[in-house]
Amino acid sequence: DAKTTQPNSMESNEEEPVHLPCNHSTISGTDYIHWYRQLPSQGPEYVIHGLTSNVNNRMASLAIAEDRKSSTLILHRATLRDAAVYYCILRDQGNFNKFYFGSGTKLNVKP
Amino acid sequence: DAGITQSPRYKITETGRQVTLMCHQTWSHSYMFWYRQDLGHGLRLIYYSAAADITDKGEVPDGYVVSRSKTENFPLTLESATRSQTSVYFCASSEYSRYEQYFGPGTRLTVT
Repeated sequence: DAKTTQPNSMESNEEEPVHLPCNHSTISGTDYIHWYRQLPSQGPEYVIHGLTSNVNNRMASLAIAEDRKSSTLILHRATLRDAAVYYCILRDQGNFNKFYFGSGTKLNVKP
Repeated sequence: DAGITQSPRYKITETGRQVTLMCHQTWSHSYMFWYRQDLGHGLRLIYYSAAADITDKGEVPDGYVVSRSKTENFPLTLESATRSQTSVYFCASSEYSRYEQYFGPGTRLTVT
């Protein structure tokens, strides 16, 4: 099964950009790359997703490598509210059993 | 209120008892999901449903039963609870299979 590899934790200063990496070397052509985050004691929250091209939304940007074996979630200006566990997930839209959350990256934001 | 809700938020039960966790969404999303979250495992898919009366197994379905008679409700039943089912359970919904999922606040279940 395609899985992802993320650093266990990262630290950032408030109002600085944050780049959260994700490796997915066994990604298949039909796998979408999704990012979710989970604040303490809450359910996961959708952040962004993409297939091949870079994507931007109001929360973040997603940069996808040309070979699709890695991606980076970019938070342009981290706030204290962005402290959470960030999950990089591969989803085959035709097979929900290939939805693997992994252990994620715990982001700590310092004031 | 609009959104996705779960009840109860906290539940303590004994081994062997039947427990039902409720999930309700107000968006009329076609897809609904049940996950469990344990330390060291992230979230794992238990069951999902593509529409009313259509359900299918996820990664860890053993010991769980689901039903979906109405689009907005997706209850999860533990027929005979075991200690290994102590976990935090999240319900989610989405409009299409490939779009973002919206998660409920979770139910923390403890089986003694």
